[in-house]
Amino acid sequence: DAGITQSPRYKITETGRQVTLMCHQTWSHSYMFWYRQDLGHGLRLIYYSAAADITDKGEVPDGYVVSRSKTENFPLTLESATRSQTSVYFCASSETTHTEAFFGQGTRLTVV
Amino acid sequence: DAKTTQPPSMDCAEGRAANLPCNHSTISGNEYVYWYRQIHSQGPQYIIHGLKNNETNEMASLIITEDRKSSTLILPHATLRDTAVYYCIVRGNYGQNFVFGPGTRLSVLP
Repeated sequence: DAGITQSPRYKITETGRQVTLMCHQTWSHSYMFWYRQDLGHGLRLIYYSAAADITDKGEVPDGYVVSRSKTENFPLTLESATRSQTSVYFCASSETTHTEAFFGQGTRLTVV
Repeated sequence: DAKTTQPPSMDCAEGRAANLPCNHSTISGNEYVYWYRQIHSQGPQYIIHGLKNNETNEMASLIITEDRKSSTLILPHATLRDTAVYYCIVRGNYGQNFVFGPGTRLSVLP
């Protein structure tokens, strides 16, 4: 099916573990984004990518790593999860800088 | 990208038009106005966007003032399913990302 999908939808992990959240889009959009959403903070940008092999930091990148070896995939890795990274994570993609972005359904991550 | 200001909350009666305002007084010539909404904790849903002309699609209409310093999103016949947080975002041609503010929490009342 065409669209943007995130996996897993729900994840519980322990402090200190590495965890990777996956994002896949089928439109071959150039731009992809990772946001996190916490109560009281709204949506905040973690990382974005303008094309394969081009990534850049957003507002809250610390503790996260991204890669984009293929246009359609943009995984987000928490190298050593902390409780402060408990959040809902949203991935999005857009074709250009002046077209709309489409968001995935989110991954709810709990770090215990 | 220019900053936007929206009222924190609004109510609307079911079946009536919902008019959601947004102020973006520092908008520059190449910046677009986008509207998204988020229902519960689902992913933000794209509604509409425009540069300077009014826009309409199957979901809503976007009215942008002539000086482009403010805009209004119109949901012509609000239903209970339109209850959500609505975000107004300004993004330039070279803007790399969408910056979300707190938005307007619209409650559609029966």
